Amino acid sequence: GQQLNQSPQSMFIQEGEDVSMNCTSSSIFNTWLWYKQDPGEGPVLLIALYKAGELTSNGRLTAQFGITRKDSFLNISASIPSDVGIYFCAGTNTGNQFYFGTGTSLTVIP
Amino acid sequence: DADVTQTPRNRITKTGKRIMLECSQTKGHDRMYWYRQDPGLGLRLIYYSFDVKDINKGEISDGYSVSRQAQAKFSLSLESAIPNQTALYFCATSDRTGGDLGYTFGSGTRLTVV
Repeated sequence: GQQLNQSPQSMFIQEGEDVSMNCTSSSIFNTWLWYKQDPGEGPVLLIALYKAGELTSNGRLTAQFGITRKDSFLNISASIPSDVGIYFCAGTNTGNQFYFGTGTSLTVIP
Repeated sequence: DADVTQTPRNRITKTGKRIMLECSQTKGHDRMYWYRQDPGLGLRLIYYSFDVKDINKGEISDGYSVSRQAQAKFSLSLESAIPNQTALYFCATSDRTGGDLGYTFGSGTRLTVV
């Protein structure tokens, strides 16, 4: 199957700091999504990207669709305790099946 | 009520037992999926279904089977559970229109096989 690698695998940051994480794929996608999973819950969609180079924001979150179409980036500004969770990227070409990354676990220290 | 409901939320079962995980949705979506989540491996697709008569294997279907009883219901069975099937299982749905609006996930079923 498709291999999506996320880095870093885990992050421990102080409240108020900015966060950056990325996702790289072994193949090209035409849609990238970013999800957040709170403890004990299923992933929830944060941002969807449909075009290479696209930059999209959702509040303090900003995601970018890489120019090569093999990568995507997520930034969180001014982190707060409720940002804690696991962040997953996902990609698709057909919309029929999404491939998920390995996840980045974020811990925010108050 | 949640849009995608999974039952049970937690289950402990013995090796060799048959177990069924159930998923129901009120989204009206045609497409339903079963994923398994393991630490460090992310979410891997087990089976998916685009309508009641359609069943497709995903990346890791061995040892699992599914049944799409109705548009709103999609169940996952482990015919003879083994310890390495211990994982968090998620059901998800998506809309037929390209699916690029992403999935709606259930809250997960934590399965432990002892």
